[in-house]
Amino acid sequence: AQSVAQPEDQVNVAEGNPLTVKCTYSVSGNPYLFWYVQYPNRGLQFLLKYITGDNLVKGSYGFEAEFNKSQTSFHLKKPSALVSDSALYFCAVRDRGTDKLIFGTGTRLQVFP
Amino acid sequence: DADVTQTPRNRITKTGKRIMLECSQTKGHDRMYWYRQDPGLGLRLIYYSFDVKDINKGEISDGYSVSRQAQAKFSLSLESAIPNQTALYFCATSDRLNNQPQHFGDGTRLSIL
Repeated sequence: AQSVAQPEDQVNVAEGNPLTVKCTYSVSGNPYLFWYVQYPNRGLQFLLKYITGDNLVKGSYGFEAEFNKSQTSFHLKKPSALVSDSALYFCAVRDRGTDKLIFGTGTRLQVFP
Repeated sequence: DADVTQTPRNRITKTGKRIMLECSQTKGHDRMYWYRQDPGLGLRLIYYSFDVKDINKGEISDGYSVSRQAQAKFSLSLESAIPNQTALYFCATSDRLNNQPQHFGDGTRLSIL
C-alpha cells in the first residue's frame, strides 16, 4: 500500500531562516508526489508536485522540494521563512491506479518574528 | 478557492439527523472528491467520482453516501449522523489529465451533538 509520513507534527523557525518540512513516502514504482498548504479556515492549496525529471522542484510562494529516491523523501524547503508562511502543510502521494491522493498527517509550521 | 464552493460552511446538528453537504465547481473538471479532515489524521477520502456515472468508495465510506447530480455538483450525505462524524469536510476537483493537482473548496465544519 502506498503511504506518506510526515514525522514532525510541528516545525518552528525564526523569520528569515531557512525552513524544511519533512516527508517520506512508500510506494511501488515511481512516485507522484505533491505538497499542499492549508491556511486557517481555508481549503488546501497546491504548492508543487514531482512527477519526473529534476529532483529539485520549484513551486508557489518561493517554496521548493527535493526528491531523493534513495532516501524515499520529498522534503519541502524555503531559503528564507516569512511569518505569513505559518500554516499547516501536507505531503501527498498519488495512487497510480487512480487519481486518488493519499495524504500525510500534516505538519504545522510556525514562523516567529 | 472560489472555483470550488461548499455549502454550508458550518453546521451543527443532532445525532440521528440526515445531513447533506453540497459542492459545486466552475472549473469544468470531470473528477470530484470528498474528504474529511481530523486533527492528527490528515485528510481521508470518503468518495470520489470520475464523471457523472462513475462513483467510487474511498477508504472511509461507511455511513456516507454521495450523489453526482451534474458534472459541476457533487453532494455528500450523512444518512443518520453520529458524533464521530464531527469533522471538517472538503470537496476537491481535478482535471481528467493525469497528475494534475486537486483544487479544494474551503470546507464545511460539521459538528454532531
